[in-house]
Amino acid sequence: GAVVSQHPSWVICKSGTSVKIECRSLDFQATTMFWYRQFPKQSLMLMATSNEGSKATYEQGVEKDKFLINHASLTLSTLTVTSAHPEDSSFYICSAPTPILAGDEQFFGPGTRLTVL
Amino acid sequence: AQSVTQLDSQVPVFEEAPVELRCNYSSSVSVYLFWYVQYPNQGLQLLLKYLSGSTLVKGINGFEAEFNKSQTSFHLRKPSVHISDTAEYFCAVSGHLSGGYNKLIFGAGTRLAVHP
Repeated sequence: GAVVSQHPSWVICKSGTSVKIECRSLDFQATTMFWYRQFPKQSLMLMATSNEGSKATYEQGVEKDKFLINHASLTLSTLTVTSAHPEDSSFYICSAPTPILAGDEQFFGPGTRLTVL
Repeated sequence: AQSVTQLDSQVPVFEEAPVELRCNYSSSVSVYLFWYVQYPNQGLQLLLKYLSGSTLVKGINGFEAEFNKSQTSFHLRKPSVHISDTAEYFCAVSGHLSGGYNKLIFGAGTRLAVHP
C-alpha cells in the first residue's frame, strides 16, 4: 500500500511556542489530506481537511487560527500549532485518501506525539 | 450524518481463542465501512473494508467482518487470536458519495488484550 510519513515523530516544546508537523505522501500524490487528533485512550477526531492549492476546511470547534494548515504541494501538508499550551498536548495523525472511485482507502501516517510543557 | 458505536471498550481473551469485536453504525445514507488496527504510538493500519458486494469481507491477519444492513452492524471476528493481535481496533464509517473523498467517522475503539 501507499506510504505516508510524518515528521517529527515526537516533539516537546515550551508553552507559547509554535510547532510545525509535516505529513508527506511518499509514493503517490495527495491533493487532499486529513488531520486527526487523538487523546490518550480515545478515538481519532477529525480536525481539518487539507486541500492542495486552496484553504483547509476545519471541523466545527477547531480553531483555524490556532491550527494552521498549509498544503504546499501534492505530497506535503503541514500542521502548525501556534502558541501551544499544555492542553494542546496530543497525538496528531494525518492521512491521505484515495478517491472514492478508486476504493476510498485512507493511508495513515505514524503520528506525532506533541507534549507542551 | 453518520455515527459509530463500538460496544466494548475492552475485550480480554486468551491466546488461540476466537474473538468478536462489535460495531454498530447509524446513517441516513449508504455507507462504506472499515476496520483499522492501531499498535501503541503508531498510526492506523487498514484491516478490511466493505464497499459493496459480498457481505462477508476478509482482511489481513486472519480477520473477517460481516456487514449486516438490517442490524446496521459490522462486527469483526477472528477464529484464533495471537499475542501479537493485542492492539486498539477502530471501526469507521464514511458516506456513500459518488466522487471526491470521504471523511471517516471513527468509533471509540476497542482494546483487544490477548493473554497467554
